[in-house]
Amino acid sequence: SYELTQPLSVSVALGQTARITCGGNNIGSKNVHWYQQKPGQAPVLVIYRDSNRPSGIPERFSGSNSGNTATLTISRAQAGDEADYYCQVWDSSSVFGGGTKLTVL
Amino acid sequence: QITLKESGPTLVKPTQTLTLTCTFSGFSLSTSGVGVGWIRQPPGKALEWLALIYWDDDKRYSPSLKSRLTITKDTSKNQVVLTMTNMDPVDTATYYCAHSDGYGGVPFDYWGQGTLVTVSS
Repeated sequence: SYELTQPLSVSVALGQTARITCGGNNIGSKNVHWYQQKPGQAPVLVIYRDSNRPSGIPERFSGSNSGNTATLTISRAQAGDEADYYCQVWDSSSVFGGGTKLTVL
Repeated sequence: QITLKESGPTLVKPTQTLTLTCTFSGFSLSTSGVGVGWIRQPPGKALEWLALIYWDDDKRYSPSLKSRLTITKDTSKNQVVLTMTNMDPVDTATYYCAHSDGYGGVPFDYWGQGTLVTVSS
């Protein structure tokens, strides 16, 4: 079955740029979606189809996908961006990555 | 606006069958391309996709759990039901239902608040 690999944690200084990766075999050929989940809350879609932002998601959130790695980029990181982030794709079934905890220092 | 809400037991015993209901509003499961899926999350762990049902009754299941899962819909009631047989303590998790729209790898764009199910004797 298809697997997605994310770093367990990423740290970023306040106001700097955070990059969270999602690795998978030829993931560049798939649509990658990203979710933000804060403690005690349901996930929220922040990027869909690699690089598209849903309505209401700040422009600071962007995404890219090529080769074996998809990347979620959060520019000018804020304290409110601290959360777990998950990537998701559809292969023969839907798959989520293991999640990355983003800490804003 | 689109809303979804999960309901069901908070506690089930090992070997029992879990039945969860997702009641939604703001969309119809008779609209072409629309789907409702189930995703779970054990405490402190990652999200895990379970199942998805489309408007045309096409159903998809997680390969690892397929033998234990059944997903159905009641379009007139705006509900989707997930049953999971032979529950085990490792199935303790928050269970979410979520909306999707379209085929070909679309995201879950609206989620319910989730319901915590504990499996214990």
